[in-house]
Order: sequence, then C-alpha cells, then structure tokens
Amino acid sequence: AQSVAQPEDQVNVAEGNPLTVKCTYSVSGNPYLFWYVQYPNRGLQFLLKYITGDNLVKGSYGFEAEFNKSQTSFHLKKPSALVSDSALYFCAAAMNTGFQKLVFGTGTRLLVSP
Amino acid sequence: DGGITQSPKYLFRKEGQNVTLSCEQNLNHDAMYWYRQDPGQGLRLIYYSQIVNDFQKGDIAEGYSVSREKKESFPLTVTSAQKNPTAFYLCASRNKGSSYNEQFFGPGTRLTVL
Repeated sequence: AQSVAQPEDQVNVAEGNPLTVKCTYSVSGNPYLFWYVQYPNRGLQFLLKYITGDNLVKGSYGFEAEFNKSQTSFHLKKPSALVSDSALYFCAAAMNTGFQKLVFGTGTRLLVSP
Repeated sequence: DGGITQSPKYLFRKEGQNVTLSCEQNLNHDAMYWYRQDPGQGLRLIYYSQIVNDFQKGDIAEGYSVSREKKESFPLTVTSAQKNPTAFYLCASRNKGSSYNEQFFGPGTRLTVL
C-alpha cells in the first residue's frame, strides 16, 4: 500500500535559522511528490512539486525540497525561517499514471520563534 | 485559496440530519475532490470526479454522497449514516491535463455534530 510518513509532529526553529521538515514515501513506480502548507482554519496552499529531473526543487516563499530516490525522501527546506512560516505542512505523493490520487502524510507543525 | 469557494464556513448539525456542503470553482477544472481532515490524520479522500456526471468513491465514502451535474459544482452530502461526521472538509480541483498538475484547495467547511 502507498504511504507517506512525516516523522515529526512538530518542528521548532528560531527565526533566521535554516529549517527542515522531513518526509519519506512508499509509492510504487516513480511518484510525483508535493508539499502543501495550511494556515489555521484555511485550505491547503501548494508550495512545490517534484516530477522528474533535478533533485532540488524550488517553490513558493523561498522553500525548496530535495528528492532522494535511494532514501525515498522528499524533505522540505528553507535557508532562513520567518515567524510567518509557522503553519502546518503536508507532504503528499501520487503515482505518475492516470488519475491523480494523492496520499497525504499526517502533517508537521512548524513553529518559528522570534 | 484560488478560485474555489466552499460554503458555509461553519456548519452545525443535529444527529440524524443530512447536510450538504457546497463547493464551486471557476478555474475550468475537470477534476474535483472531497477530503476529510481530522487532527493528526492528514487528509483522506472521500469522493472524486474527473468529469461531469461521473464520480468515484475514495477511501472513506461510507455515509457520504456527491453529485456532479455541472463542471463548476461538486456538492457533498453528509448523511445520517456517517457515524462520526465532525471534521474539517476540504474541496479541491485540478486541471487534469497532466497527472502531475497540483490540486487547488478551497477554504474548507468545519462541520460539528451537536
């Protein structure tokens, strides 16, 4: 069965420091991988995606993610965190065939302190 | 939240009642989705539709029903058969031209059973 794991319920980081939010996946074939962010009582906003090619993907708001096929990981990163980055982050995966059924991780809450 | 609207934002239901959640999009997307979000569980797929007058069950369809009479609209009915309906419900849509196109999410409806 396909699955996505986000091993950390919460990540704490000081403003200005680099941040990493971890994601590993178990999807057959070559997956498409996505990161979304959710602010309180709001819908999900798309940040970035990996389809194929360069393993380092750049997205919105200065976020980037690194695809590592051997470790089946797709960690989200940002060089310098902002307090406004505090939110709930979801990693999701889809098989690259036919209908796009996303499998979501359970989410990681990022808390950036001033 | 792009061109997807959900109403109402908050909904209260008495046990035994059916309620309908509205989802409208003006993005000209063919594919639409309904998800349920519970704390610590990520998002789970309830129903999806790839084209007008066609829809398919997702992972947790029991106790829910949908219709897709218009491209722009994909309402979700939570029936009295749904044993634990209190949750945050998210609608999404996608341009299905490529299987890696990201999904766009609405702002959500929070349903509470009294």
